[in-house]
Amino acid sequence: DAKTTQPPSMDCAEGRAANLPCNHSTISGNEYVYWYRQIHSQGPQYIIHGLKNNETNEMASLIITEDRKSSTLILPHATLRDTAVYYCIVRVRNTGNQFYFGTGTSLTVIP
Amino acid sequence: DAGVIQSPRHEVTEMGQEVTLRCKPISGHDYLFWYRQTMMRGLELLIYFNNNVPIDDSGMPEDRFSAKMPNASFSTLKIQPSEPRDSAVYFCASSPNWGEKAFFGQGTRLTVV
Repeated sequence: DAKTTQPPSMDCAEGRAANLPCNHSTISGNEYVYWYRQIHSQGPQYIIHGLKNNETNEMASLIITEDRKSSTLILPHATLRDTAVYYCIVRVRNTGNQFYFGTGTSLTVIP
Repeated sequence: DAGVIQSPRHEVTEMGQEVTLRCKPISGHDYLFWYRQTMMRGLELLIYFNNNVPIDDSGMPEDRFSAKMPNASFSTLKIQPSEPRDSAVYFCASSPNWGEKAFFGQGTRLTVV
């Protein structure tokens, strides 16, 4: 699976949009981008995933660049409950490859 | 649905003792995963099952670790004998299809003293 690079930490003001970047320059054509988050002391939680088109659901939006070498997870109106570690993962869907979670980005939402 | 249920939530045991962690996946999910999380190594996939059959156990650290899934609603992860370096949070997850929307349990915090 392609490796991902994320900043170790970020801050965001409550109510503002949180934009979390992820670089995956070695991604291949059939690899999807997944985002999970882990709130302290809880299990990881699925957020969103995509292949090449931008995706949006009730939790977040995923913007993937045209060359697919990077992506951004957007939390449109961050709340204190969004404080968590966010993991960007790239993997081939529906294969035997593992989910490699990496170190993620620790997002702190500030009141 | 109650989600993925793990037990116990916390376990403290002495070195050398056998430890058994339990997991009840979400009903209807065909895939079950066991992960371990530590500060040093982050989240590591230990083993996963498809339709109760172990598919990939390459992440299991050594022979002291074993996992079983006797039926679709129950799985165990056993460590025998346990060692202090096994101290970690162990997560169980399940998904209806491979890799998509995996749902994680609350984890079992294991401390081996």
